[in-house]
Amino acid sequence: NAGVTQTPKFQVLKTGQSMTLQCAQDMNHNSMYWYRQDPGMGLRLIYYSASEGTTDKGEVPNGYNVSRLNKREFSLRLESAAPSQTSVYFCASSVRTGGVEQYFGPGTRLTVT
Amino acid sequence: QKEVEQDPGPLSVPEGAIVSLNCTYSNSAFQYFMWYRQYSRKGPELLMYTYSSGNKEDGRFTAQVDKSSKYISLFIRDSQPSDSATYLCAMSTPNQAGTALIFGKGTTLSVSS
Repeated sequence: NAGVTQTPKFQVLKTGQSMTLQCAQDMNHNSMYWYRQDPGMGLRLIYYSASEGTTDKGEVPNGYNVSRLNKREFSLRLESAAPSQTSVYFCASSVRTGGVEQYFGPGTRLTVT
Repeated sequence: QKEVEQDPGPLSVPEGAIVSLNCTYSNSAFQYFMWYRQYSRKGPELLMYTYSSGNKEDGRFTAQVDKSSKYISLFIRDSQPSDSATYLCAMSTPNQAGTALIFGKGTTLSVSS
């Protein structure tokens, strides 16, 4: 039981490049989330998926797209990376939205130069 | 005003001290109040939660909620160097469809031996 896994762990991009962050959970959770964490800003929700087949914007969705590929997988895509997207990205899952316990992955450290 | 306010610290205490961590909030609809712990370069993990008002104790940790004041606290007794981490409060309204957790910015705690 691996919980929530994220790939890659580290990534450096040049401005304008694109990439997809992958996330998978093996806990049969319905809801999945993408957050970014920046110094002094805390965890900010980018997008979430309440259940398979649905996605919704969070607090900071601009510049990102997501895909809920199936119940296990939820990917985050940066189409044209900008330096402002330099951050640590966390994927999380929970039984349902608003549920008490979210399980977080180990994070992806992204630097955009 | 942000929905959840948390003093980022940092907070430095000697081993054995009692630590008090706090958050204030503005949304009276919040029902679940959570504390997550995040070690350096790791994802957050749920430490404990309370529903509505009252206290909850788990070993050296006590969570308190005062809904009348919109104020929550986490107390750590006999603090240990292993408690050094960032503590994030989080809140939710589980009966409201489509909502996710709202996190505070986190307080960084350092316990010295």
